[in-house]
Amino acid sequence: RKEVEQDPGPFNVPEGATVAFNCTYSNSASQSFFWYRQDCRKEPKLLMSVYSSGNEDGRFTAQLNRASQYISLLIRDSKLSDSATYLCVVNYFGNEKLTFGTGTRLTIIP
Amino acid sequence: GAVVSQHPSRVICKSGTSVKIECRSLDFQATTMFWYRQFPKQSLMLMATSNEGSKATYEQGVEKDKFLINHASLTLSTLTVTSAHPEDSSFYICSATTRGRGAPYEQYFGPGTRLTVT
Repeated sequence: RKEVEQDPGPFNVPEGATVAFNCTYSNSASQSFFWYRQDCRKEPKLLMSVYSSGNEDGRFTAQLNRASQYISLLIRDSKLSDSATYLCVVNYFGNEKLTFGTGTRLTIIP
Repeated sequence: GAVVSQHPSRVICKSGTSVKIECRSLDFQATTMFWYRQFPKQSLMLMATSNEGSKATYEQGVEKDKFLINHASLTLSTLTVTSAHPEDSSFYICSATTRGRGAPYEQYFGPGTRLTVT
């Protein structure tokens, strides 16, 4: 079983719609959680950290459920510029290494 | 702030030759630098972790004699792919962390180097 699992998609969503991704992680010692976005042939860029209480940044909302070991990302009022691959990333306690999921590919359709 | 650069951005080399990739933190001192490899439609796979002045720690399955990492200073790490083969063709990305900046364990990524071995 992969340490961090995501539905690879692709998700093809009309502009303005709401889309949600889930990610599950296998190691309960996981401490920090992030969503990164990666555009084609570019490096990953941090989208947002994910906190236990849930957090929101504009149109983006991230949730963490430690009991079920999953993380979610909700994008509201999607824009064409949201088209990218979204990477779920986990860090383990006392370790600087990040473990990346395989990513979920999102395409926003005009 | 927190800018990481990589050079070159893209390189084509012949099979059997060696290629050096540089990773620099431009406006901060990197506590740790990481090297990743990403094949098409796959996620980033960590190759090794390096701290300034010490030997790199390689992930399982990564040949340390083939992928030489030198972390000469707090702002520079290099990855040398020795005796490159076509299967080494990939997108190589470095990242850096620094204490006291950003979210805990947030990594700042370089723009990547696309290596093609012919």
